[in-house]
Amino acid sequence: DIQLTQSPSFLSASVGDRVTITCRASQGISTFLAWYQQKPGRVPNLLISGASTLQSGVPSRFSGSGSGTEFTLTISNLQPEDFATYFCQQLNTYPTFGGGTKVEIK
Amino acid sequence: EVQLVQTGAEVKEPGESLKISCQGSGYSFNTYWIGWVRQRPGEGLELVGLVYGGDSDTRYSPSFRGQVTMSADKSVSAAYLQWTGLEASDSAIYFCARVSRLGGVNGVGAFDVWGQGTMVTVSS
Repeated sequence: DIQLTQSPSFLSASVGDRVTITCRASQGISTFLAWYQQKPGRVPNLLISGASTLQSGVPSRFSGSGSGTEFTLTISNLQPEDFATYFCQQLNTYPTFGGGTKVEIK
Repeated sequence: EVQLVQTGAEVKEPGESLKISCQGSGYSFNTYWIGWVRQRPGEGLELVGLVYGGDSDTRYSPSFRGQVTMSADKSVSAAYLQWTGLEASDSAIYFCARVSRLGGVNGVGAFDVWGQGTMVTVSS
């Protein structure tokens, strides 16, 4: 199985900040990586597929990059509605999820 | 509109059986995989497995193989997840999700539409 390690697992930030979350794969997965946002008590929402393709309706302050084993999700100009938990998921082989990164208000 | 609607919350005792459902609408159910995802309270997302809407082909995650059974019925556009002997450790929210072809390999891409989740509580 391909393991995904997200870092940090928790981060505290302020509205307006630029936030970067990293997802590392245990072996190369090209760009077969997706990012999800989950707010408390809500269903996960697909933000990005193919490592960098923003889904329709997702604000442009979200961006994804990377290939191979290292990927990043960046949120520029953090907004109040962005405080949530973010998960990466690899799709190179049988899908697996990263452990998640919780973004909280500083 | 593409939708997945799941069974309501269930409360069961240890050892009991349970089958929960995921009803698809607004798309060709028989041409997509459905993923089942477990989320225990305060924890992350774990893929239980994938079931194909067209022929009920299944792929189980190693830690769930033999613990649950997935199936699908294309005649009613529904996928199912069942247990024959529930344990307290099965208590969780179970989501179903449509497996898109976005950014994946061999037709297994990102999970683009999610059901609302079914909370399963196993307690004596």
